[in-house]
Amino acid sequence: DADVTQTPRNRITKTGKRIMLECSQTKGHDRMYWYRQDPGLGLRLIYYSFDVKDINKGEISDGYSVSRQAQAKFSLSLESAIPNQTALYFCATSDTGTGHADTQYFGPGTRLTVL
Amino acid sequence: GNSVTQMEGPVTLSEEAFLTINCTYTATGYPSLFWYVQYPGEGLQLLLKATKADDKGSNKGFEATYRKETTSFHLEKGSVQVSDSAVYFCALTGDSSASKIIFGSGTRLSIRP
Repeated sequence: DADVTQTPRNRITKTGKRIMLECSQTKGHDRMYWYRQDPGLGLRLIYYSFDVKDINKGEISDGYSVSRQAQAKFSLSLESAIPNQTALYFCATSDTGTGHADTQYFGPGTRLTVL
Repeated sequence: GNSVTQMEGPVTLSEEAFLTINCTYTATGYPSLFWYVQYPGEGLQLLLKATKADDKGSNKGFEATYRKETTSFHLEKGSVQVSDSAVYFCALTGDSSASKIIFGSGTRLSIRP
């Protein structure tokens, strides 16, 4: 079984709808992240969380919110989806305490299309 | 701020060719450097990393050396295979308290049989 899972894998929605993307992990890691990937832009950090009580904005948090329901679960919400939020979204995890050489472990991604 | 610049793709090579994908970085302090690979339809996975100057990361026949004097971390492989076809991302972390990764824009590699 995959260590980092994301649901759904694909979603098509309409402008103005609320969307939630979910991420679960069995790695026992404290740190979780949400990224979006756009062609030619690499990955950009949306939000990150270092434990259940810690939530931090990344470089492109506008229009998004997150919830860390448990150590193993980190969900991303689009309160009112817009077409330029069409992208591939990745969740990732990392362990604590190994410094800035932490490896991040990625889920398979959610492809979101906003019409 | 910190940033990563890598060569634009796509890169197309024949099987058994030599591969270089260039990556340069801008960072304050002493970042750790990474190469991640994304196979079709999958998430990213760590390929190799180096945490200090002159370190060489290696995995699956790929190598990259942390060159502080040229602020580079070029990815090389002596003989590529069709199974190496993927998108490769150079990345760095420069903030020891945050574990945040800054990614390059990715280089798509295609290997012809």
